[in-house]
Amino acid sequence: NAGVTQTPKFQVLKTGQSMTLQCAQDMNHEYMSWYRQDPGMGLRLIHYSVGAGITDQGEVPNGYNVSRSTTEDFPLRLLSAAPSQTSVYFCASSQSTGKAFFGQGTRLTVV
Amino acid sequence: QQQVKQSPQSLIVQKGGISIINCAYENTAFDYFPWYQQFPGKGPALLIAIRPDVSEKKEGRFTISFNKSAKQFSLHIMDSQPGDSATYFCASLGGSARQLTFGSGTQLTVLP
Repeated sequence: NAGVTQTPKFQVLKTGQSMTLQCAQDMNHEYMSWYRQDPGMGLRLIHYSVGAGITDQGEVPNGYNVSRSTTEDFPLRLLSAAPSQTSVYFCASSQSTGKAFFGQGTRLTVV
Repeated sequence: QQQVKQSPQSLIVQKGGISIINCAYENTAFDYFPWYQQFPGKGPALLIAIRPDVSEKKEGRFTISFNKSAKQFSLHIMDSQPGDSATYFCASLGGSARQLTFGSGTQLTVLP
């Protein structure tokens, strides 16, 4: 049972580059989310999805895009990386009951 | 704009002691209050959770106390162990989008 799988685990980007963080879940969960974790700020919601084809913005959406073409996958795209996007990114999936499962995270550094 | 306020930011406890972490929420629509535990280099993992129709939930050494009128809830770790050293996040969930709002985290260190 893989749960939530994120790739890559580590990434270094140059300012202005774009990239996609991958997230896949095998639990048939309706809800998927992307968070960023910064010291002293907890986990902040970037974008979320309540089902295939449905996405919405969270607390800190600027500079990021998402899509949800299947139940399993929820990729996060950085359009033009900035140093302020240096962070650890977590993908999570859940049912409506609220119990969320998190991936192992992607540590992103933008130089 | 943080809707869940968590304290303290860091906590140091001796082995065998009681660790207490507090959270306060603002949105009365929240209907699920989990605590997550995170070890370095790992994703958060659900530790224990409570719904607002009960005032306390206990699982082993971990207890959530919930005060609906004060809009506060807390995590108590009894007989704290060095293996409990981790970052703990409270969270609240509610609304049709069913999204979690997290506190800022507490770094717990249990000294041997």
